Amino acid sequence: GAGVSQTPSNKVTEKGKYVELRCDPISGHTALYWYRQSLGQGPEFLIYFQGTGAADDSGLPNDRFFAVRPEGSVSTLKIQRTERGDSAVYLCASSTGGSTGELFFGEGSRLTVL
Amino acid sequence: GENVEQHPSTLSVQEGDSAVIKCTYSDSASNYFPWYKQELGKRPQLIIDIRSNVGEKKDQRIAVTLNKTAKHFSLHITETQPEDSAVYFCAAVPASKLTFGTGTRLQVTL
Repeated sequence: GAGVSQTPSNKVTEKGKYVELRCDPISGHTALYWYRQSLGQGPEFLIYFQGTGAADDSGLPNDRFFAVRPEGSVSTLKIQRTERGDSAVYLCASSTGGSTGELFFGEGSRLTVL
Repeated sequence: GENVEQHPSTLSVQEGDSAVIKCTYSDSASNYFPWYKQELGKRPQLIIDIRSNVGEKKDQRIAVTLNKTAKHFSLHITETQPEDSAVYFCAAVPASKLTFGTGTRLQVTL
């Protein structure tokens, strides 16, 4: 596609529910990143994929968070038993290789947990 | 892990003046330092970057300087215009991931 696409753009859910956020990177980009951005803060690293494998998942806050990229393209971020503190904009980015190059961000998925 | 500090958190300048945003980093292994601009409700977009083997880089009204010894780098915007108003994030990359600063909200007033 022309750019990084994220769905849904907005998600409102109740505390305790399960949520999936999808990212469709730029075609041909092997690296994919998930970041979380709270209001007034910089993007916070969650996980980095190189191809199908998670090369670095050190930013996932706890075991309620999980991400997959089964075919090396589309990725899904999964959040179980959501909490109010999970409310944020979840940004996906892709790049042609490692992180020492431009990251192309999607518009983000705004998650609100009531 | 890497820790990036950014100052100031807000900056207001008059149109035509210069703006400077400063960042420090902690991991001496960091070798790539990009700057992203984020307009309200939009995605972050790369505006300029610098690698550790270079001390300064310029692109029209935007320049970035890097001091590896002191572990700090700065963004300089000259002849500011209203469309420069946005939040600017610095970042550092020691290995596989960008670590972002907390952002500077730049307001360019007429």
